[in-house]
Amino acid sequence: DTEVTQTPKHLVMGMTNKKSLKCEQHMGHRAMYWYKQKAKKPPELMFVYSYEKLSINESVPSRFSPECPNSSLLNLHLHALQPEDSALYLCASSPTAGAEQYFGPGTRLTVT
Amino acid sequence: GENVEQHPSTLSVQEGDSAVIKCTYSDSASNYFPWYKQELGKRPQLIIDIRSNVGEKKDQRIAVTLNKTAKHFSLHITETQPEDSAVYFCAARVWGSSNTGKLIFGQGTTLQVKP
Repeated sequence: DTEVTQTPKHLVMGMTNKKSLKCEQHMGHRAMYWYKQKAKKPPELMFVYSYEKLSINESVPSRFSPECPNSSLLNLHLHALQPEDSALYLCASSPTAGAEQYFGPGTRLTVT
Repeated sequence: GENVEQHPSTLSVQEGDSAVIKCTYSDSASNYFPWYKQELGKRPQLIIDIRSNVGEKKDQRIAVTLNKTAKHFSLHITETQPEDSAVYFCAARVWGSSNTGKLIFGQGTTLQVKP
């Protein structure tokens, strides 16, 4: 399996909801990432996990909570989001942190 | 701080012409430079990358050149085709907290190839 998969593809949530985004890879990669991407902008790094440990948090608000249950899975827990958090959320993985990254298809999130 | 500048922001070429996109990075410790192509509604896809011990790398119609002294690198696409139309992002690896590598992306170039 040479792909990164993400679920769900689309998510609409209210500002009081709690939801989770899921990401999976079976390439044996030891680094996984969450990015946020707005239209016509580059991916903006949120979190980096290296060997299942949170290594980088780019000063992301606490309403976003990452979790890495094992080396193949990465979750992003969402709570009390704001409309400006609406974006495409991309997961990526790489053999080691900072090496060539492979992106999942993303979750299109809309906060109402 | 860490920064990658990318030019031009938009580029329109005729099918069959060449396209060149240029990036400049600020961190002299950067040693890995990937390029991503993102078609509308799709994920960014790694198309080519170069490491700092190499000056040029080619893969069929695409090539990347690196000038470490000037801290700039470029993507060259020859014999462009309509399917090359997309947004292209350059990136440079920098070292974040816990000495963990991460990519800093340029702002992107929208390439349009006219048939």
